[in-house]
Parts: sequence; structure tokens; C-alpha cells
Amino acid sequence: EAGVTQSPTHLIKTRGQQATLRCSPISGHTSVYWYQQALGLGLQFLLWYDEGEERNRGNFPPRFSGRQFPNYSSELNVNALELEDSALYLCASTAYEQYFGPGTRLTVT
Amino acid sequence: RKEVEQDPGPFNVPEGATVAFNCTYSNSASQSFFWYRQDCRKEPKLLMSVYSSGNEDGRFTAQLNRASQYISLLIRDSKLSDSATYLCVVGTSGGSYIPTFGRGTSLIVHP
Repeated sequence: EAGVTQSPTHLIKTRGQQATLRCSPISGHTSVYWYQQALGLGLQFLLWYDEGEERNRGNFPPRFSGRQFPNYSSELNVNALELEDSALYLCASTAYEQYFGPGTRLTVT
Repeated sequence: RKEVEQDPGPFNVPEGATVAFNCTYSNSASQSFFWYRQDCRKEPKLLMSVYSSGNEDGRFTAQLNRASQYISLLIRDSKLSDSATYLCVVGTSGGSYIPTFGRGTSLIVHP
């Protein structure tokens, strides 16, 4: 059974640009969580999608947004990138426990 | 008080040692508990769920103390490959399930 996949693996953007990150959950899982992990810090909850709807969001500005598609894959969009957005972005597929994808490392220069 | 607290370490132990980590949580309504392992610059991987009665998986034992609001992870016979950061995760049930991650405890097992 395929695990959680994320793309791209690495993404380099300049300040002010927009980034789009993608996640495909484990087959049969309808819930996707997004997290940000800045260097040396813990995982910070960003967004939760379930059955195509946003269920909750963390303490992040509105320029962090996303959506979930009918096949339960998900997209995270970050607009007006700032230097401090540089981090590892992880998505997790959830039934009860959370299973993480390999992450997208976003670098903003 | 932080929602989930862990001693960041590092815990520096020789191969074969037994090491234990604790994790305290502040929300008494928490109902789900997990330990994850995260290697440097990699994604967290589920190590084990933590059940009320405690549970064991090989060299790893997890326990939950609801009265004192902490969970623990015991690693016996440490291997070099156990070197990693161990994340404690606590969640509440209900309509809005948002798990809270601790910052992690770093373990270094040396020869």
C-alpha cells in the first residue's frame, strides 16, 4: 500500500512569490493535516481538511490557505512568501494515528 | 504552561543502556497519545500509540499516567540506530481533533 506522498521535495522561491505544495494521502484516508516545521522547532499545526472541507486552521495568517480535492489529495498555498516561511512542510494522512509524507522543504530567499 | 512539554535533551547514552523519556500534557481531556520518532531532516514516523494499560513493542515500552498527566517511553538495550528525536503527541477527541506535538527529546546512542 502506497504511503503519503508529497511534491515537490524541494522548492526555492523568492520573497513575495507564491508557493503551491501537494499531498496525496494513504488510500482510504479522508483526513489530511498540514504542519510547518521550521529549523530547530516543533511541528506547528497549519490546516486540517476532511471530506473536502477545511475543519480547522492553526495560528497562521490568511496567506496560508489550501484545499482538498474529491480524491482527498490536498494542496497548500502560501502567498506573499516571507523569509520566515522557510521550513519543512509536512502533511499527514489520518485515520486514527497520523502518517506523514516526506515533506516539502521550502526555501525563501 | 505549554500544552505538551518534553525535556529537549540531548540524552547521551552508551549502547545497551536503558533510557526513559517523559512527556507532560496540560489538557486533562486528552484522550489519544503517541510517540513518534524523527530523524534529522526527515518526517516523523509513528513509533507507537500509548494505551491506558501501557503497551510494549520489542525494546520499547510506553505508559500513560492520567492522574499526573504524563506519558513515558522506555527504550531498553539501546542501539546506535535509536539515535533520533522522539516526539510526544497528545490529542483530544471530539469534533475538532488537533493533535499537539511536543518539541521532542533528542537521543544520542554512542558506541
